[in-house]
Amino acid sequence: AQSVTQPDIHITVSEGASLELRCNYSYGATPYLFWYVQSPGQGLQLLLKYFSGDTLVQGIKGFEAEFKRSQSSFNLRKPSVHWSDAAEYFCAVGANNDMRFGAGTRLTVKP
Amino acid sequence: DAGVTQSPTHLIKTRGQQVTLRCSPKSGHDTVSWYQQALGQGPQFIFQYYEEEERQRGNFPDRFSGHQFPNYSSELNVNALLLGDSALYLCASSLEGSGPTDTQYFGPGTRLTVL
Repeated sequence: AQSVTQPDIHITVSEGASLELRCNYSYGATPYLFWYVQSPGQGLQLLLKYFSGDTLVQGIKGFEAEFKRSQSSFNLRKPSVHWSDAAEYFCAVGANNDMRFGAGTRLTVKP
Repeated sequence: DAGVTQSPTHLIKTRGQQVTLRCSPKSGHDTVSWYQQALGQGPQFIFQYYEEEERQRGNFPDRFSGHQFPNYSSELNVNALLLGDSALYLCASSLEGSGPTDTQYFGPGTRLTVL
């Protein structure tokens, strides 16, 4: 069965600094991979998704993620973090509409 | 274009009671999935409804049941509530056949507290 691991529970970065959130997955076939963001008291918003093709995926709000099959990873990156990016970030792997989420990484942005 | 809506926003129940949560999918979507998100955890898949039938189910007991109506809206019912059922319940909608894996759009959730 597919599973997702987000090794970092909490990350703090300074505003304007670069960001990388880690995600490792386990899945027997070609994975469908997603990153979602959740602000306090809100539902999940899709940032980006990977199905196939170019392994560098561009998303909304200036985020990108790179799929690395050899490392079973799908890390999320942003070159310059804004204070409004503070939120919980979830990586997910899905197939046949059965989505499995990681436990999330909480991002704090320092002024 | 309305997104996914859920009601109520918050709910407080006592152990042993029953609860019904409601979800209206994004316009044009025909598939509804339900997730349970415990505090500090990622969402866990409960089940998915398509064409008014439960199509897939996660590892949740039979106390969790659902329904989908002809207008694609859906209900989640939980019987014999336990303290551990306290969580944020998320509804997600998608369009069957819209892609290799149908992208899901999430509602804001219903916060259930069981006392």
